[in-house]
Amino acid sequence: NAGVTQTPKFRILKIGQSMTLQCTQDMNHNYMYWYRQDPGMGLKLIYYSVGAGITDKGEVPNGYNVSRSTTEDFPLRLELAAPSQTSVYFCASSDRGGGQPQHFGDGTRLSIL
Amino acid sequence: DQQVKQNSPSLSVQEGRISILNCDYTNSMFDYFLWYKKYPAEGPTFLISISSIKDKNEDGRFTVFLNKSAKHLSLHIVPSQPGDSAVYFCAASALISGTYKYIFGTGTRLKVLA
Repeated sequence: NAGVTQTPKFRILKIGQSMTLQCTQDMNHNYMYWYRQDPGMGLKLIYYSVGAGITDKGEVPNGYNVSRSTTEDFPLRLELAAPSQTSVYFCASSDRGGGQPQHFGDGTRLSIL
Repeated sequence: DQQVKQNSPSLSVQEGRISILNCDYTNSMFDYFLWYKKYPAEGPTFLISISSIKDKNEDGRFTVFLNKSAKHLSLHIVPSQPGDSAVYFCAASALISGTYKYIFGTGTRLKVLA
């Protein structure tokens, strides 16, 4: 059972380039999330989705876009990469919110140079 | 404004002893609290949770205590094992505008010494 799968695991981008971080889950979860983790910091919510076709902004959405066309997939798009977006990105899913645990992917380490 | 705080960046404990990881929060609207464990180069994995209507939840070697009046929770690991060495994140959730949101602490790195 794969759970939450993120690709790629590592990526180096030049300033101004764009890319899409892929996330897919096979647990039929309604809720999906994108977080970023900067060194020494906790996880900050970028965007989330409560179901296919429904997305909303989290704490730090600037510079990112998402879409949720299927239950399984929740890609995160960086349009104009900036050094401030250097971080580790985690995708997560849960059956619903509240006390339900989130299942995380192994992360994408992104460097913008 | 950090709503969930883990004030100890690191903790070292001898194998077999108790590990106590602490977490403080400021928002009384939080209704669930969760602990996650994270190994290097992996995503966080869920460990244990507690509802705000309870003061204790236990799962094997892991126990979480919640003190609502002090807005404080703690994770106890007894006995600690070398495999418990990881970063532990405390998270809190609240229903905001019809959707549950999660706020994470900055993590505590636990090292269990053999």
